[in-house]
Amino acid sequence: DAGVIQSPRHEVTEMGQEVTLRCKPISGHNSLFWYRQTMMRGLELLIYFNNNVPIDDSGMPEDRFSAKMPNASFSTLKIQPSEPRDSAVYFCASSLTSGNYNEQFFGPGTRLTVL
Amino acid sequence: DAKTTQPNSMESNEEEPVHLPCNHSTISGTDYIHWYRQLPSQGPEYVIHGLTSNVNNRMASLAIAEDRKSSTLILHRATLRDAAVYYCILRDSLHGSSNTGKLIFGQGTTLQVKP
Repeated sequence: DAGVIQSPRHEVTEMGQEVTLRCKPISGHNSLFWYRQTMMRGLELLIYFNNNVPIDDSGMPEDRFSAKMPNASFSTLKIQPSEPRDSAVYFCASSLTSGNYNEQFFGPGTRLTVL
Repeated sequence: DAKTTQPNSMESNEEEPVHLPCNHSTISGTDYIHWYRQLPSQGPEYVIHGLTSNVNNRMASLAIAEDRKSSTLILHRATLRDAAVYYCILRDSLHGSSNTGKLIFGQGTTLQVKP
């Protein structure tokens, strides 16, 4: 099993540019989570999907952020326009929702730097 | 979600046991106690979880106080590879009908292992 796959692993962009982060969850998992991690705020949940449907996007910072899950094997997190304060490591995680045991498997993360 | 309190950092010597404490005095009867850890430059990974009884797996043991207001993650023989940030998280097992496994991460405990 390849685990959760994220791309790109590193992204450096200039303020104002559009950034798209990609995630492929583990095959068969039906929940997908996007997190952001910074030194100041730690690990924050941005949004999560269940069966491709967004369930809770209350963690999305503002309208510049959007996330989609067009099918069970792919999700994107888009920032448009990007700002320096968006610099962080973005993690995608997936899980199989089954009863009370919902271990989340995290990807390696995308380190985003906005200049 | 109920709040957890952990020490910011702990130190251990290699090949000695480590006891990582977590206080969760406002835990409800339906909250599971989850532990994740994050190795340097990696995404978090699941360690163990429990409800009332002590739990053991290949990675660690989880000791849960009788009143469930605290728990302790036990690494029986710390290795250098166990140096990580350890997160104690409560998750409501009866959260709505979707039970999607949403996790709220705190600041965790940074464990240093000395050779």
